[in-house]
Amino acid sequence: EAQVTQNPRYLITVTGKKLTVTCSQNMNHEYMSWYRQDPGLGLRQIYYSMNVEVTDKGDVPEGYKVSRKEKRNFPLILESPSPNQTSLYFCASRDRASSTDTQYFGPGTRLTVL
Amino acid sequence: AQSVTQLDSQVPVFEEAPVELRCNYSSSVSVYLFWYVQYPNQGLQLLLKYLSGSTLVKGINGFEAEFNKSQTSFHLRKPSVHISDTAEYFCAVSEAGGSYIPTFGRGTSLIVHP
Repeated sequence: EAQVTQNPRYLITVTGKKLTVTCSQNMNHEYMSWYRQDPGLGLRQIYYSMNVEVTDKGDVPEGYKVSRKEKRNFPLILESPSPNQTSLYFCASRDRASSTDTQYFGPGTRLTVL
Repeated sequence: AQSVTQLDSQVPVFEEAPVELRCNYSSSVSVYLFWYVQYPNQGLQLLLKYLSGSTLVKGINGFEAEFNKSQTSFHLRKPSVHISDTAEYFCAVSEAGGSYIPTFGRGTSLIVHP
């Protein structure tokens, strides 16, 4: 089954404690991205990657890092989380770096930073 | 740069009634338009998309949307809603010709009452 998986689904942590949210897709998609969803703000893109070893900033990259060492994985790293990063995070992938293709979203990771 | 405005943050409606969720966009270039649905505790999934051609686009679950270039709108409609349509709906726009960063609206919560 074609899918995008994220782990963990729920995470509560404290300020400053480094964490990684993993994202994996089994569709051999080139393009992957991370979004955060906040009430009243919709989805905002954090980082995206057009292929292995190619990443770029989205609209709200501050406080986040990503890496794309393998095509299927695109982890999101918070080196020093802060309470304003409490949010619902979605990973997404699509077949090509073309704006016509459908994005497939993971189930989301709800992060709380105390 | 493009932007998306979803005019209603919440739309309550009774079961079997028709519904329209409004979306307006702005862009200096041609665009592709998308509607996504997010059911509770799930990721987003594509309802429909407009790339070119017929301005009336049919999607899954009986939804359709009409692209109106002169009014820069892409409103989503369904003639008769079900309880199961209760969800968050997001309109999104990408620049035609290769923009890699889609812009999402803030979402409209459709609440279907029995």
